[in-house]
Amino acid sequence: DTGVSQDPRHKITKRGQNVTFRCDPISEHNRLYWYRQTLGQGPEFLTYFQNEAQLEKSRLLSDRFSAERPKGSFSTLEIQRTEQGDSAMYLCASSLPTRNEQFFGPGTRLTVL
Amino acid sequence: SQKIEQNSEALNIQEGKTATLTCNYTNYSPAYLQWYRQDPGRGPVFLLLIRENEKEKRKERLKVTFDTTLKQSLFHITASQPADSATYLCAWVKAAGNKLTFGGGTRVLVKP
Repeated sequence: DTGVSQDPRHKITKRGQNVTFRCDPISEHNRLYWYRQTLGQGPEFLTYFQNEAQLEKSRLLSDRFSAERPKGSFSTLEIQRTEQGDSAMYLCASSLPTRNEQFFGPGTRLTVL
Repeated sequence: SQKIEQNSEALNIQEGKTATLTCNYTNYSPAYLQWYRQDPGRGPVFLLLIRENEKEKRKERLKVTFDTTLKQSLFHITASQPADSATYLCAWVKAAGNKLTFGGGTRVLVKP
């Protein structure tokens, strides 16, 4: 257990529905990252925050995706109008800005039917 | 854009032998290369980091080397054990606190 938690661990939804995932980072970590991982591939960067400021968004993050970190603590990732191609493991990680290693949560596995 | 390449074929190895994994990057020299371990259904776990001005780093049975001329890092697991069976991910990072760019990972299976 790295100290980063994610909820839910699994989500099954129907195409077109909206889903929201939550990530609670290690408390003193002010950087928080979201990645997406499909089977047999490495994680792909989606977005990251320093405290409540969203510093970078990947081109993978279409306008159906939105992420927030309102008080600089936990973060949410929402996917609107889900598509089958959104099925993946969504990973959250946190770190200190001056440190290199990132601590990953267990992930949320999303299945879109 | 940066691309990180790892051998996608699984590596089957006998217990006690050394496993050697390769990570190649295409364009920009990283500030750091990191290695993570990932078990099925779980998030990656940080193992080791090597800076661009370092040639070698060790941690217990793990060793990482870095060759900026070849644009390559090698990851070694010495005296491998069945518990080392996992997927190992290489990650490029431009600077501390930045996003990671991962390779596809190499699956290692250590047979008793």
